[in-house]
Amino acid sequence: DTEVTQTPKHLVMGMTNKKSLKCEQHMGHRAMYWYKQKAKKPPELMFVYSYEKLSINESVPSRFSPECPNSSLLNLHLHALQPEDSALYLCASSQGEALPYEQYFGPGTRLTVT
Amino acid sequence: KNQVEQSPQSLIILEGKNCTLQCNYTVSPFSNLRWYKQDTGRGPVSLTIMTFSENTKSNGRYTATLDADTKQSSLHITASQLSDSASYICVVTRNFGNEKLTFGTGTRLTIIP
Repeated sequence: DTEVTQTPKHLVMGMTNKKSLKCEQHMGHRAMYWYKQKAKKPPELMFVYSYEKLSINESVPSRFSPECPNSSLLNLHLHALQPEDSALYLCASSQGEALPYEQYFGPGTRLTVT
Repeated sequence: KNQVEQSPQSLIILEGKNCTLQCNYTVSPFSNLRWYKQDTGRGPVSLTIMTFSENTKSNGRYTATLDADTKQSSLHITASQLSDSASYICVVTRNFGNEKLTFGTGTRLTIIP
């Protein structure tokens, strides 16, 4: 199984809502990542988890809260988002943070904030 | 500044033709370079990954080259197919404690029948 799954595929939420994005992999990978991608732009790294501990936070606003309940799951909790947060949110995983481990990306969650 | 620049921004070619996409980078210290294919609204899929000592790497009809001296890479696609229509992203990894990926802005390739 070389797949990273993400749910939901699409999400529309208001600025006062609380929602969560989920990511799952069963490849035994120990590093997991959240990226944000705006239209026609490259992905931007948000968070990195290594061995279930937050390793990198790229100065992401606190309205985005990551969580890694176990080595296979990664969540991104959303609260009080702004319309400019609308984007494709990509999850990725790799065997470890160091290279040349390959990063496998999920299909993404298309988020629209109204 | 650590940057990855790709050219052209967009490219349209006829099905069956070959094409070459370019990537120039200033990322330092260099660890490795990857090419990804990303279909619209989907996650990127890895095509090749090359380290400092590798000049060429192939994956089916995709061939990537790397010149670490001039900090340039290219992705050559032979006998293009309609399914090759996608964005192609060059990603360079900087070896700086934690490995960090620097993404290029991508080349949008459209194959027309």
